[in-house]
Amino acid sequence: AQKVTQAQTEISVVEKEDVTLDCVYETRDTTYYLFWYKQPPSGELVFLIRRNSFDEQNEISGRYSWNFQKSTSSFNFTITASQVVDSAVYFCALSAALNTGFQKLVFGTGTRLLVSP
Amino acid sequence: AAGVIQSPRHLIKEKRETATLKCYPIPRHDTVYWYQQGPGQDPQFLISFYEKMQSDKGSIPDRFSAQQFSDYHSELNMSSLELGDSALYFCASSLRRDEQFFGPGTRLTVL
Repeated sequence: AQKVTQAQTEISVVEKEDVTLDCVYETRDTTYYLFWYKQPPSGELVFLIRRNSFDEQNEISGRYSWNFQKSTSSFNFTITASQVVDSAVYFCALSAALNTGFQKLVFGTGTRLLVSP
Repeated sequence: AAGVIQSPRHLIKEKRETATLKCYPIPRHDTVYWYQQGPGQDPQFLISFYEKMQSDKGSIPDRFSAQQFSDYHSELNMSSLELGDSALYFCASSLRRDEQFFGPGTRLTVL
């Protein structure tokens, strides 16, 4: 069975602070993908990043960076110099990748990030 | 670029009524997924279709049914609506079960 755990329910920071959102996953699949999505108050799911299980290289995109560590089954997300517009719920998700293709997404319970001015 | 279209965007129904949600995938996408997100919860997988055949099923109530049509659009039919069915329903589409692209969601409110 697959499981994604986001232990932080809510994080509050002040603008310009750095913040890290934790994600720990469980899967028996050897090939899988990990995702981060942002859900602003308007409700849509905004895709942020996809990582496959064979690529442990960290990634940086502007103020966003991701740290994937297979040894600890973690895929953490850091926002540098947070801004008020970063306020949203962030979901980490996992999908097995079988020879039939991507499977359903299993989401964590989300972390609500509040960035105050 | 064209995105996934969901209609309606908002829907208000009474208990015991029926509702139909529609999903129009990105052109050429042949796979559709449905997810349900209750208030304050994470999205939960309901059902998926690949080439008009059901490919996977999650915790979808028996009162719900879905299908994918010849033009690849999909409809989620919900009958005997309950208060607990109030949620945001997302549709996602992909090409040959590759990366999923999400629609904006349909917010269903059951009174």
